[in-house]
Amino acid sequence: NAGVTQTPKFRVLKTGQSMTLLCAQDMNHEYMYWYRQDPGMGLRLIHYSVGEGTTAKGEVPDGYNVSRLKKQNFLLGLESAAPSQTSVYFCASSRFESGTLVPPQHFGDGTRLSIL
Amino acid sequence: EDQVTQSPEALRLQEGESSSLNCSYTVSGLRGLFWYRQDPGKGPEFLFTLYSAGEEKEKERLKATLTKKESFLHITAPKPEDSATYLCAVRSAMNYGGSQGNLIFGKGTKLSVKP
Repeated sequence: NAGVTQTPKFRVLKTGQSMTLLCAQDMNHEYMYWYRQDPGMGLRLIHYSVGEGTTAKGEVPDGYNVSRLKKQNFLLGLESAAPSQTSVYFCASSRFESGTLVPPQHFGDGTRLSIL
Repeated sequence: EDQVTQSPEALRLQEGESSSLNCSYTVSGLRGLFWYRQDPGKGPEFLFTLYSAGEEKEKERLKATLTKKESFLHITAPKPEDSATYLCAVRSAMNYGGSQGNLIFGKGTKLSVKP
């Protein structure tokens, strides 16, 4: 049982380049999230999805786009990378539970992204 | 403005030396407080959910408690394998109706347990 898998694990980009981070989960979870973690700051939500074909903005969505074409995959795109997007990106998932807002339960091990 | 503050930033303990980590919060209506453990180079691992003052949850050497202003993560007789960064997060009434993932995270407490 792999849980949440993120690819790639590391990447270095030049300013203005684009790339896509992939998140895959094998737990049949409805909800998926993308967070960024920066030194001295708490985790911050970028975008999230409550089901296949749906996405929504989180706390810090600018400069990012997402897609969830399949239930098990959640993609995070950077169209034109900027140094301010240097960070560690985490994907997370959680199940649906009627009457309860379940918090993010399973996180991947992160993608370390540097923008030069 | 909703805020979460964790203290101390770092804590060094000897194996077997019990202690507590603090998470104080200021939110417009608490809709859940969550504890996570994060090992270096890894993603957070979900530990506990607390919803109301007086509630307690336990898992092995860890016990989480909640009051109206703060939560404590008590570590009893810690072992070196308990070394990690512990994250606290809250969901407030302001973001309750939106993303259930839009939690407010604290900066964490880095715990080191020496043998």
